[in-house]
Amino acid sequence: DSGVTQTPKHLITATGQRVTLRCSPRSGDLSVYWYQQSLDQGLQFLIQYYNGEERAKGNILERFSAQQFPDLHSELNLSSLELGDSALYFCASSVGGDGYSYEQYFGPGTRLTVT
Amino acid sequence: GQSLEQPSEVTAVEGAIVQINCTYQTSGFYGLSWYQQHDGGAPTFLSYNALDGLEETGRFSSFLSRSDSYGYLLLQELQMKDSASYFCAVRDLGAGNTPLVFGKGTRLSVIA
Repeated sequence: DSGVTQTPKHLITATGQRVTLRCSPRSGDLSVYWYQQSLDQGLQFLIQYYNGEERAKGNILERFSAQQFPDLHSELNLSSLELGDSALYFCASSVGGDGYSYEQYFGPGTRLTVT
Repeated sequence: GQSLEQPSEVTAVEGAIVQINCTYQTSGFYGLSWYQQHDGGAPTFLSYNALDGLEETGRFSSFLSRSDSYGYLLLQELQMKDSASYFCAVRDLGAGNTPLVFGKGTRLSVIA
């Protein structure tokens, strides 16, 4: 158990819909990272927040957005869902910012299926 | 930009030693990380090398050569539970400033 929690574990929704994935980092960790993992694309970095502020952005679609709240939990919002958005979404956390990103602790993931 | 190359699949016998190689190209270098992921599970951190040489943690060791932009993960006394995917990862300070970029992963199958 990494100490990172994610909800829900599974999500099935229809195209065009909007969903919110939630993540709570390990106690004391200030950075949260979001990743998308699909069979053909591997583990793709989406976005990082550090202590409530956006720190780095990857190949995150405009239909996707995220935020980190004062209690440090984070939410990833996916809208206008398409079949291709079906994937495993991981949240990870690390104790600090840039210098600590090499050691990240991953949550169990949310498996999103868009039908 | 950045790229990481690692073999897609490796098969080894229980009790043996296996080496998983990783070559990288990145804008600036701040170390090489290794992660393990079992099927259906989450990636878990294994090791990190910032300097050249070998780092040992139990049955697993990781090596880095910055001059060759190369590293490897060495697994000794292989056990069936080591069957998993292994990812190397680097930080990319290029245009994306990506905290961690992962390779496509090496699927290790341990056979009896």
